[in-house]
Amino acid sequence: QQQVKQSPQSLIVQKGGISIINCAYENTAFDYFPWYQQFPGKGPALLIAIRPDVSEKKEGRFTISFNKSAKQFSLHIMDSQPGDSATYFCAASGGGSNYKLTFGKGTLLTVNP
Amino acid sequence: DSGVTQTPKHLITATGQRVTLRCSPRSGDLSVYWYQQSLDQGLQFLIQYYNGEERAKGNILERFSAQQFPDLHSELNLSSLELGDSALYFCASSVRIRGPYGYTFGSGTRLTVV
Repeated sequence: QQQVKQSPQSLIVQKGGISIINCAYENTAFDYFPWYQQFPGKGPALLIAIRPDVSEKKEGRFTISFNKSAKQFSLHIMDSQPGDSATYFCAASGGGSNYKLTFGKGTLLTVNP
Repeated sequence: DSGVTQTPKHLITATGQRVTLRCSPRSGDLSVYWYQQSLDQGLQFLIQYYNGEERAKGNILERFSAQQFPDLHSELNLSSLELGDSALYFCASSVRIRGPYGYTFGSGTRLTVV
């Protein structure tokens, strides 16, 4: 059972454009929603995270938007750069499974120069 | 460098064999988590250890086992290997006993079973 659904699988954006990746979750006990960035040959690295008590969190060019009623959250990358080309994973944790992260399947982002 | 060290980086072995993957957590971190990353299943939680004790188990096969030693490094043992066990295996460490906040992942071990 996939508890976190991520879309799209892949995304191509021009330099300077906005990249948007969406995730939906099922478990209403989830209370921590991080996004991870993974470059080839590296492990996932925490990018930004949000709790459900806020609807938006911004760190530099990266913004998480959170919609608790719809059980959805998204990552927006403003002014996308070629260096942002990587695989992005959304994840969720909380409730009885707060010891682990449940990951989405990932989005391969390519930013063309 | 994340501070979490995984060895080896690559491992090629035959079906039926047994391998050991090693993880050294970040200095000060007491929790070690193991994840499997495959193309079809994505990143899946396997098991967590905290200060030497098993704390949580995910979808870890009976052929797989892990332990955490007094110096806090952890080993993931995979036995009777099958082609489907080919994957990237990541460990992550955290200072907390519970909660994935502040997870730091290593660079992974790529296991290829032939």
